[in-house]
Amino acid sequence: AQSVAQPEDQVNVAEGNPLTVKCTYSVSGNPYLFWYVQYPNRGLQFLLKYITGDNLVKGSYGFEAEFNKSQTSFHLKKPSALVSDSALYFCAVRAPRTGKLIFGQGTTLQVKP
Amino acid sequence: EAGVAQSPRYKIIEKRQSVAFWCNPISGHATLYWYQQILGQGPKLLIQFQNNGVVDDSQLPKDRFSAERLKGVDSTLKIQPAKLEDSAVYLCASRFGPGTNEKLFFGSGTQLSVL
Repeated sequence: AQSVAQPEDQVNVAEGNPLTVKCTYSVSGNPYLFWYVQYPNRGLQFLLKYITGDNLVKGSYGFEAEFNKSQTSFHLKKPSALVSDSALYFCAVRAPRTGKLIFGQGTTLQVKP
Repeated sequence: EAGVAQSPRYKIIEKRQSVAFWCNPISGHATLYWYQQILGQGPKLLIQFQNNGVVDDSQLPKDRFSAERLKGVDSTLKIQPAKLEDSAVYLCASRFGPGTNEKLFFGSGTQLSVL
C-alpha cells in the first residue's frame, strides 16, 4: 500500500546549523517524491520534487533532498538553517501509474536564534 | 497565470447541516484532488479526479461526503450531514502533468467549522 512516514513530529535546530527532516515512503513502481512547506495560516508551498535523475535534488530557499532508493527515503536538508525556516514541512509521494498523491503527517521545524 | 480558486474561504455551520465547497482548477489541468487537513495534521486525500472521472475515492466517507466534477473542469465537494469531526481545511489542488515538469497547485482552502 502507498504510504509516507515522517518519524519526527518536531525538529529543533539552532540558526546556522545544518538541518534534516526525515521521510520514508512506500509505493509501487518508481516514486514521484515531493516536499511542501506550510507557514501558519498559509497554504501549502512547493519546495522541491524528485522524479528521475540525480539523487540530490535542489529546491527553493536553499533546501535540498536526497533520494535513497534502497532505504526508500527522501530526507530534506539545508546546510545552514534560518529562523525564517521555522514552519510545518510535509513529504508527499505520488504513485506514477495512478497519480494518487498522499502526504505524511508533517514535521514542525523550529529554528532558534 | 491564475491559480486554483476555492470558495467560500470560511464556513461555519451547525452539526447535521449541509455544506458545499467549490473549486475551479487551473485551466487545462486534467487532474484534480480534494484533501481534508485537520489542524496540525497532513492533508488527507479524499478524492482524485482525472477529467470528469473518479480515479480514487477510497478515503471519502461516502455516507456523508460526495463530490463531482462536471465537464472535467469545476468541482464541488459536499458534506451532508456534517459532524463535529469534519471541522478542517478543505484543500483543492490541480495538476497538469505527467512529466518531469509536473507540479501540484493548491488553492487557499476552505476552513470549515462545525459547531
